[in-house]
Amino acid sequence: SQQGEEDPQALSIQEGENATMNCSYKTSINNLQWYRQNSGRGLVHLILIRSNEREKHSGRLRVTLDTSKKSSSLLITASRAADTASYFCATAGNNDMRFGAGTRLTVKP
Amino acid sequence: DAGVIQSPRHEVTEMGQEVTLRCKPISGHDYLFWYRQTMMRGLELLIYFNNNVPIDDSGMPEDRFSAKMPNASFSTLKIQPSEPRDSAVYFCASSSWGGNEKLFFGSGTQLSVL
Repeated sequence: SQQGEEDPQALSIQEGENATMNCSYKTSINNLQWYRQNSGRGLVHLILIRSNEREKHSGRLRVTLDTSKKSSSLLITASRAADTASYFCATAGNNDMRFGAGTRLTVKP
Repeated sequence: DAGVIQSPRHEVTEMGQEVTLRCKPISGHDYLFWYRQTMMRGLELLIYFNNNVPIDDSGMPEDRFSAKMPNASFSTLKIQPSEPRDSAVYFCASSSWGGNEKLFFGSGTQLSVL
C-alpha cells in the first residue's frame, strides 16, 4: 500500500519558474526520499533526507522535512523544460520503501 | 556497473499463460525490491529480499504471484496463470541498505495480458 501522498497531482509552469511539490505521510519514518521518473523509464533517485534533518540541498533541489506534521516538500528552482517528469516521494520505515502517487510536472519552454 | 537489469523489456501474453520476469541487481547490493506500477494504484511494493531471503511479501496480490531469489545476482517474479488485470509495468530495484539508502531501479517490464 502507498505511504506518501503528493500534492498537487499535476503542476504546469513556465521555464525559469520555481516548482514546489508536497508530500504527506502517515507513519514514522527513518528517512524520506524523492525520485524522478521520465515517461516510460525507471525511477531515478534525487535526494534523501533523514528523519533528524530538516532541510537539504542538492543543486537546484531543496527538500524540507517536518516530522511533526509528517510532511515534506521538494522545491526545484529555475526550472527547465528537461525537468518535465513525474516526481515521487518515498518513505522508509524499517528496510522497505513505499511510494506516493506522484506529481506530474510539466515545464513549458 | 551496468545498473539493475530487467528482462524482458516488453511482454505480451494471453490470459492464462505463465509469465516470468527477471532481474539482475547491482553487484554488492543486499536488498532487492519488486514493484508494480499502474495508473490506478501507483507504485506498489510487492516483495523485497535481503541477502536472497524474502522479508516482506505482504504486497503480493494473490497466490498467482511468486518471487524467488536463488542467488545474489538473480531474481524472478512469476505470475501463473496471468490475468488481464495483471497488466502493468513491473520494476525491480536494488539497494545496499534497504530503505536506508537510495534505490536503483531497472528500466521495468511492460506486461500486457490480453
